Amino acid sequence: ETGVTQSPTHLIKTRGQQVTLRCSSQSGHNTVSWYQQALGQGPQFIFQYYREEENGRGNFPPRFSGLQFPNYSSELNVNALELDDSALYLCASSLSQELDGYTFGSGTRLTVV
Amino acid sequence: RKEVEQDPGPFNVPEGATVAFNCTYSNSASQSFFWYRQDCRKEPKLLMSVYSSGNEDGRFTAQLNRASQYISLLIRDSKLSDSATYLCVVNDMDSNYQLIWGAGTKLIIKP
Repeated sequence: ETGVTQSPTHLIKTRGQQVTLRCSSQSGHNTVSWYQQALGQGPQFIFQYYREEENGRGNFPPRFSGLQFPNYSSELNVNALELDDSALYLCASSLSQELDGYTFGSGTRLTVV
Repeated sequence: RKEVEQDPGPFNVPEGATVAFNCTYSNSASQSFFWYRQDCRKEPKLLMSVYSSGNEDGRFTAQLNRASQYISLLIRDSKLSDSATYLCVVNDMDSNYQLIWGAGTKLIIKP
């Protein structure tokens, strides 16, 4: 069984630009959650998708948006990038909402300059 | 007050020693608790779930104290490979599927 794959692994963007991060969920998983982890902090919940519908959102502004596709892969889009958006972005897939069944991808490290 | 609090450390511990750290959570209605391990610049990986009765997995023991709202992790006979950041995670009762993370406790095992 394949794990969670995120792309790209590293990215450098300029303030004000837009970015799209991608996540392929583990085979059999229908739920994808996105987290932002700043240096020295724990992951912060951005949002979750379940069967292509947003199923919960954390305290992030609307310029953070997402999609889930019929194959359960997902995208995270961030518009109007700010310096504080520099972080490790983690995608986790799970079956339904089993809290102990999360599998994380290795993350995308975004640097905004 | 943060929802999940941990001592950031670092805890510097000699190989073979026993080390323990706690995590406190603010929402008394929280139901699910986990310890994750995160190596430098890597993704978090589930170490163990924490059950009301406590649980043990080899050298690792997790305990839950609902009255005082904390969970603990004990590592016995520590190995160099145990060096990592240990993240305490609690579910968000306002939306049952969201996880609230502590900032982590850094553990360094020294030879």
